[in-house]
This record gives sequence, C-alpha cells and structure tokens, in this order.
Amino acid sequence: DTGVSQNPRHKITKRGQNVTFRCDPISEHNRLYWYRQTLGQGPEFLTYFQNEAQLEKSRLLSDRFSAERPKGSFSTLEIQRTEQGDSAMYLCASSLFSSTETQYFGPGTRLLVL
Amino acid sequence: KQEVTQIPAALSVPEGENLVLNCSFTDSAIYNLQWFRQDPGKGLTSLLLIQSSQREQTSGRLNASLDKSSGRSTLYIAASQPGDSATYLCAVNNYGQNFVFGPGTRLSVLP
Repeated sequence: DTGVSQNPRHKITKRGQNVTFRCDPISEHNRLYWYRQTLGQGPEFLTYFQNEAQLEKSRLLSDRFSAERPKGSFSTLEIQRTEQGDSAMYLCASSLFSSTETQYFGPGTRLLVL
Repeated sequence: KQEVTQIPAALSVPEGENLVLNCSFTDSAIYNLQWFRQDPGKGLTSLLLIQSSQREQTSGRLNASLDKSSGRSTLYIAASQPGDSATYLCAVNNYGQNFVFGPGTRLSVLP
C-alpha cells in the first residue's frame, strides 16, 4: 500500500469554471477527510465520510462545494463556479475508525483560480 | 468550539539544540491529539499521536506530552538537525468530531 494519493497535484483554472479533485485513501481505512489549507495556516476541516456516508460538513463547505464517496473507497471533491478565494491546497486524509484513529494525509491538490 | 493555538509561530535554532514547541487548546474534552510535520508545499506526515488517557509518547528524538487539564501539549525535539526544518502542526480530536488544527510553528535548524 502506497498511502493516500490525490489527483491532480496542481490545478489552474479560470474563475467560474468547475473543478473536481480525487482522493484514494489507504485501502482498509473507512474514514476519509477533506481539508483546505491556505498559506501560513493550519488545515481547516471541510467534511468527512465513514464508508460511503458523509457524516459531517463544515460551514466552510458552501453550496458550491460537493463531496462524494460512492462506494466507500475513493472520494471526489467538486467546486462549482470557482472563485479566487477558493485558491488553496486541498488535502485528503484517511483513518481507520478505532481507538487510535491516526490520520494519514495525501500530498494535496494545489488549486489556483485566476 | 475548539480552538488551537501554537507558540512560537516561528523558531530558528542552531543545529544540535534541544527545543520545545507548544500547543494549547480550549476544550479539554479531547479524544486524542496528533502532531504532524509539513514540508513546504507538501502534505502532512504524522509524527506522534497521544490518546486522552496518555501523558506522553516518544519516537526517536521526539517526545510529545499531554496535559489535558491545562489544555496543553508540548513537542520536544532533541539534538535538532537541519533535516528537522519544517512546519510542525498539532491537531486535536474531540469525541466524535473532526480534527481542529493549530496554525503551526515554522522551524528552521541552521547548520
């Protein structure tokens, strides 16, 4: 197992376009998290899934954002009608719901909205 | 609402020094606390996880302590090396909720 992977690693788009990011978690992990990180700040929670169920969404996740995890494996995060303020690093993490629940992060997708 | 702060925001030390990074949180009803390392432009690497029932965890030159009652955790790095240069983040997990991250401490270890 090579860990959490994210694609694409970089995305440049024009304001108003839609973008979709993909996250492949560690295979046996049942929890998957999405975070957003801007320069000089810690990651901010967006949403998380346990298996295919989306259990929590942050107020940061406006109606332009949607996340899915259809089969409880990979997840997608879509941003519709992108704005310049959406420019950030989008990080995915996975964990095994247990007594320890260590989170393992992917390398992130860096989004730049022009 | 859980809030996490980290002091100092940045730290520059000569190689070989021992150093302490601090993390404070406002809600002591935590499930666990995790320390991460982040290199510029990269994802996060887990360093240590401390359960709420534990007082400390050690891995190599790293030691993390937890004082739930005072809402504090420290990360101790012994004999620092230039390769330790990175941003160090702590994250707090409240029961059944998401992780809340601090803003990080940017560490530079000078050769």
